Amino acid sequence: GEDVEQSLFLSVREGDSSVINCTYTDSSSTYLYWYKQEPGAGLQLLTYIFSNMDMKQDQRLTVLLNKKDKHLSLRIADTQTGDSAIYFCAEAPMNSGYSTLTFGKGTMLLVSP
Amino acid sequence: DTGVSQDPRHKITKRGQNVTFRCDPISEHNRLYWYRQTLGQGPEFLTYFQNEAQLEKSRLLSDRFSAERPKGSFSTLEIQRTEQGDSAMYLCASRGQVNEKLFFGSGTQLSVL
Repeated sequence: GEDVEQSLFLSVREGDSSVINCTYTDSSSTYLYWYKQEPGAGLQLLTYIFSNMDMKQDQRLTVLLNKKDKHLSLRIADTQTGDSAIYFCAEAPMNSGYSTLTFGKGTMLLVSP
Repeated sequence: DTGVSQDPRHKITKRGQNVTFRCDPISEHNRLYWYRQTLGQGPEFLTYFQNEAQLEKSRLLSDRFSAERPKGSFSTLEIQRTEQGDSAMYLCASRGQVNEKLFFGSGTQLSVL
């Protein structure tokens, strides 16, 4: 089956870098995604990476993909208190025709001043 | 605001009642998805439409659940004879092509008493 695994909680101080890790199971997934969810809100797409890439950088966000280990990470540079939220990793597996996303349980990021 | 609208934002109902939620996707998006999210979990896929055709349904979608997208634009999700276990956030998402970004609405929070 498909299981996307994430650590549940991360606490950092403002200004530090945050690294959120994810492992996925379906090596056929072509796209891997990071979403952010603030309390009581829907999901906001932060960034995504195509499976033939190793790294993608977008302003303060850096995504690293290790396809061999099926490991994805999201690094947030200069973390701010406004970055406090739940971060979800998601994959689009082949057995769904790449059409549906399978999400992890989310990592709660707490940024303290 | 992602452009995906969901109504209502909150719904409180008594066990055994029927409820209906509405989703208006981004207008040019022909793919529409319903997900369910319970506390402490990531979103779980329920069903997927391409235009008006319902192409995929999860095993999570019991007989009490029905979704429609009659004209290929807005969609409704109905739950009949609600149970306390149906309490969750129901999220709608849409996109154009399979390899395009998936945009989520803010969700409908259902509480079954």
